[in-house]
Amino acid sequence: DTAVSQTPKYLVTQMGNDKSIKCEQNLGHDTMYWYKQDSKKFLKIMFSYNNKELIINETVPNRFSPKSPDKAHLNLHINSLELGDSAVYFCASSQGTRFYGYTFGSGTRLTVV
Amino acid sequence: GENVEQHPSTLSVQEGDSAVIKCTYSDSASNYFPWYKQELGKRPQLIIDIRSNVGEKKDQRIAVTLNKTAKHFSLHITETQPEDSAVYFCAVLTGGGNKLTFGTGTQLKVEL
Repeated sequence: DTAVSQTPKYLVTQMGNDKSIKCEQNLGHDTMYWYKQDSKKFLKIMFSYNNKELIINETVPNRFSPKSPDKAHLNLHINSLELGDSAVYFCASSQGTRFYGYTFGSGTRLTVV
Repeated sequence: GENVEQHPSTLSVQEGDSAVIKCTYSDSASNYFPWYKQELGKRPQLIIDIRSNVGEKKDQRIAVTLNKTAKHFSLHITETQPEDSAVYFCAVLTGGGNKLTFGTGTQLKVEL
């Protein structure tokens, strides 16, 4: 029973295409995140939602648009994909009160060719 | 924003030896410091954490120490085993929104 699940696991696409990554958590957490891990393994936060409300929006190109239909789901849509978008994208979730760190999803490896 | 520095970037030890990874941070208001282990091709997983009201926490072969005055905390792994080989990340809880700022990672290799 996967706690934080992401789909797809792998995504290979051409430059200029639009793609989406989906994330779902069954932990009852109220906060969800998107992190980008680049080729040097650096983990950088992109967005965070708390109960469907955007609370963290780091310096990310407008081509990236998150959407949270409910507190168990957080999706990431990327328009006009560029080579530099190639990375592993991790979804994560956490409890809002009495923070105990994140539970990460298994990641989506995006390759733009 | 918060700045988290992690050293070393790579660490190679012999099986059975100890390994120590250190992180420094800049925001004195930070109060939660987790460590994550990421095996090749897998997700980061929380292995131990510490809050600012304690100076040390231990869980079997791993321990974390925190020096709030100096703004640094360290991960200690004793009796290392090959399965400890992975990338280890420190993180600091900063600002609002439960944002974790991660260190740059340490590639630990435990050699037989």
